[in-house]
Amino acid sequence: GENVEQHPSTLSVQEGDSAVIKCTYSDSASNYFPWYKQELGKGPQLIIDIRSNVGEKKDQRIAVTLNKTAKHFSLHITETQPEDSAVYFCAAIPNRDDKIIFGKGTRLHILP
Amino acid sequence: GAVVSQHPSRVICKSGTSVKIECRSLDFQATTMFWYRQFPKQSLMLMATSNEGSKATYEQGVEKDKFLINHASLTLSTLTVTSAHPEDSSFYICSARDPSGIDTQYFGPGTRLTVL
Repeated sequence: GENVEQHPSTLSVQEGDSAVIKCTYSDSASNYFPWYKQELGKGPQLIIDIRSNVGEKKDQRIAVTLNKTAKHFSLHITETQPEDSAVYFCAAIPNRDDKIIFGKGTRLHILP
Repeated sequence: GAVVSQHPSRVICKSGTSVKIECRSLDFQATTMFWYRQFPKQSLMLMATSNEGSKATYEQGVEKDKFLINHASLTLSTLTVTSAHPEDSSFYICSARDPSGIDTQYFGPGTRLTVL
């Protein structure tokens, strides 16, 4: 089955700098890769997603890149702000009816 | 994005009692909903997949008689923790798959269960 690895587990970034979170997946059949942000005591919120027919997607300060050959995908947050502090989960879904396979999460701290 | 609600947001109960958690998709119909539990500083663990009008599919190691799931309508799934014990204390989160969004799943805000 699919396995998603996520790094780093913790990341501290100075406010205004960029943050990068990287994930790898094992199942080449995976074709949908969502990213979720979870704040303390809340449910995960979908912040961006990418499908396997696209190499990059951007939404304001957030961008995701996908390298299908290497089975890598990454989340990039630019001009980080205090409200970006949260736990971020990458995920993969092999097929439409399959369950989400989550990474273990990255705790992002934005330092003042 | 689509909105999924959960009720209650937090519940405290005595050991041995049963607790029901509701999950609703507010602006779309969800034929499939999912139930997760999450321990502190850990990722989400899928408990079961809830399909409208049919029995839920439970993940390995999840007791179906302890965690009863009912998906009676296209906008509502319920999780009942029966005879709750302190080790059932956790953060329970549901998600719903939006049919129009192909693979996209939207999560509820979660329910914090504390069993005394």
